[in-house]
Amino acid sequence: SQQGEEDPQALSIQEGENATMNCSYKTSINNLQWYRQNSGRGLVHLILIRSNEREKHSGRLRVTLDTSKKSSSLLITASRAADTASYFCATDSDGNNRLAFGKGNQVVVIP
Amino acid sequence: GAVVSQHPSRVICKSGTSVKIECRSLDFQATTMFWYRQFPKQSLMLMATSNEGSKATYEQGVEKDKFLINHASLTLSTLTVTSAHPEDSSFYICSARDRLAGVTYEQYFGPGTRLTVT
Repeated sequence: SQQGEEDPQALSIQEGENATMNCSYKTSINNLQWYRQNSGRGLVHLILIRSNEREKHSGRLRVTLDTSKKSSSLLITASRAADTASYFCATDSDGNNRLAFGKGNQVVVIP
Repeated sequence: GAVVSQHPSRVICKSGTSVKIECRSLDFQATTMFWYRQFPKQSLMLMATSNEGSKATYEQGVEKDKFLINHASLTLSTLTVTSAHPEDSSFYICSARDRLAGVTYEQYFGPGTRLTVT
């Protein structure tokens, strides 16, 4: 079932700017993951944050998790044209890897 | 890095025929694989969990007789769309979890298969 919901749905930014996406979910989770998908391609795992973590960094990516608000955000700093893609959050409710994906954010980085 | 392949990448078939999609883990063993479908400009929907050597577990609303899953080895799962209809046209994506991953939760996604039923 789909429970992650990202906001906003589409984002267009200039290269070098930061891009922020949000995700909300409805049930308790074991972990939350962010993925990138280039048009018509498979998904690339970006980062995973566990329910007992509040913030995580990986390169230019910063993810926050607020379990009290059932929300997460993904920040991409100093965006590049190659960051143009759709970004999805996915929740794993009980650690059994059955992921519920959100609607996705389409990010366009203008060179 | 862990690689998952899918074959074919694109397939066009006529209504009423069956289509088989393969998902392979190339450099690791996967006791569990997952099948998703994705409609244009929409999110992924989990269809089923494929377990090596046992029956697949289907999500609510997914017809198991329509979407046959076989996970015959630690590196291969197949999805067969039986008696395909135009509404089955979609992007089918598989993912696999490394058998030796332990308590990590990462899974690796294949590149997807675009199915078009005419």
